[in-house]
Amino acid sequence: DGGITQSPKYLFRKEGQNVTLSCEQNLNHDAMYWYRQDPGQGLRLIYYSQIVNDFQKGDIAEGYSVSREKKESFPLTVTSAQKNPTAFYLCASSDGTSSSYEQYFGPGTRLTVT
Amino acid sequence: GQNIDQPTEMTATEGAIVQINCTYQTSGFNGLFWYQQHAGEAPTFLSYNVLDGLEEKGRFSSFLSRSKGYSYLLLKELQMKDSASYLCAVKPNDYKLSFGAGTTVTVRA
Repeated sequence: DGGITQSPKYLFRKEGQNVTLSCEQNLNHDAMYWYRQDPGQGLRLIYYSQIVNDFQKGDIAEGYSVSREKKESFPLTVTSAQKNPTAFYLCASSDGTSSSYEQYFGPGTRLTVT
Repeated sequence: GQNIDQPTEMTATEGAIVQINCTYQTSGFNGLFWYQQHAGEAPTFLSYNVLDGLEEKGRFSSFLSRSKGYSYLLLKELQMKDSASYLCAVKPNDYKLSFGAGTTVTVRA
């Protein structure tokens, strides 16, 4: 079965700790994305990558970092510099970036920082 | 910036029709997507419009008017499983999707 996996589904951390969220896809998609979803707000783009070893900041990249060393993997690190890290994080991928390509989403990781 | 508006909540009865409107003002336009998201789950793709007009797919239809910056998603013969959040997303350029806040639809028996 092709798809996107994110682990873990729920993650709890203490304030001041960095945490890395996993995202893996076996759809052979070139492009991958990280979004953050907060109650009452739309999905907001954190980072995206169009190809291996390349990535760009989205709208709310501050306090986050990513890497794209393999086509199938796009981990997101939430650093201690992120002021409000508690949120639902969604990873997505698409076959390309041109207009008609839909994005496929993973099941999400709910991060709680106390 | 991008501005995408949709109603926060809608309620309808099983078997009825509901229309979810989405208006947008974006720096460019390369297509409009509708996604369905059940609580705590991943959004799933419903439809894509890039040209004006109506796209029909079973019980769901989506309409686009580019000149008006307007789209709607029409859900017919509502079922209880259609209770979910519906996300309108516009692609202002090639790589990015800008999302509205989502419309929560509650289907009542």
